[in-house]
Amino acid sequence: QSVLTQPPSVSGAPGQRVTISCTGSSSNIGAGYDVHWYQQLPGTAPKLLIFGNTNRPSGVPDRFSGSKSGTSASLAITGLQAEDEADYYCQSYDNSLSGYVFGTGTKVTVL
Amino acid sequence: EVQLVESGGGLVQPGGSLRLPCAASGFTVSSDYMSWVRQAPGKGLEWVSVIYSGGSTYYADSVKGRFTISRDNSKNTLYLQMNSLRAEDTAVYYCARNGFLGDAFDIWGQGTMVIVSS
Repeated sequence: QSVLTQPPSVSGAPGQRVTISCTGSSSNIGAGYDVHWYQQLPGTAPKLLIFGNTNRPSGVPDRFSGSKSGTSASLAITGLQAEDEADYYCQSYDNSLSGYVFGTGTKVTVL
Repeated sequence: EVQLVESGGGLVQPGGSLRLPCAASGFTVSSDYMSWVRQAPGKGLEWVSVIYSGGSTYYADSVKGRFTISRDNSKNTLYLQMNSLRAEDTAVYYCARNGFLGDAFDIWGQGTMVIVSS
């Protein structure tokens, strides 16, 4: 069971900006634990997109950005491209579970 | 090249056991945190277990008491021993490194499919 809630789907036209929210609680995001984001293309393993709330690993385009405030975090994709069509997951640590937690996942569709 | 390669998946009957190896290259498994993450067909990601560099291990409630994570430093390999398997354990199992970029999962294997069915 996921303790981080994301919208099931978001969509946008090429070139547009979309955002994905990730809502947690006082035992995970609200406790100050970092939020990370992953992109999963169909049939492939997840790929790290954002780490430590706002940081991009080498090779990730700057069209992807992350933010965090209170018990929530967000991923923004600007200049949406067809290749961005994928599932996106947020992830953090939960001290009540003593383990890592993932978001419910969001499917991004490029119209 | 930094890489993780899982193996050992397959079809197993309910109540059976399976061990999944995850061979690492390009880094040392004992120096980082290493986790198992699974994904049931058509579902989201679920963290399963972690072994920290110091050797401490933690598990998701859904597998606690049935699964055991371990590592063989001489083989630079991570393992997941799965016992008392249930239909709901059917999933693609990924091994992943976390602890290099904070606790983000920065390196993932390609995954290995486990099907629990009679």
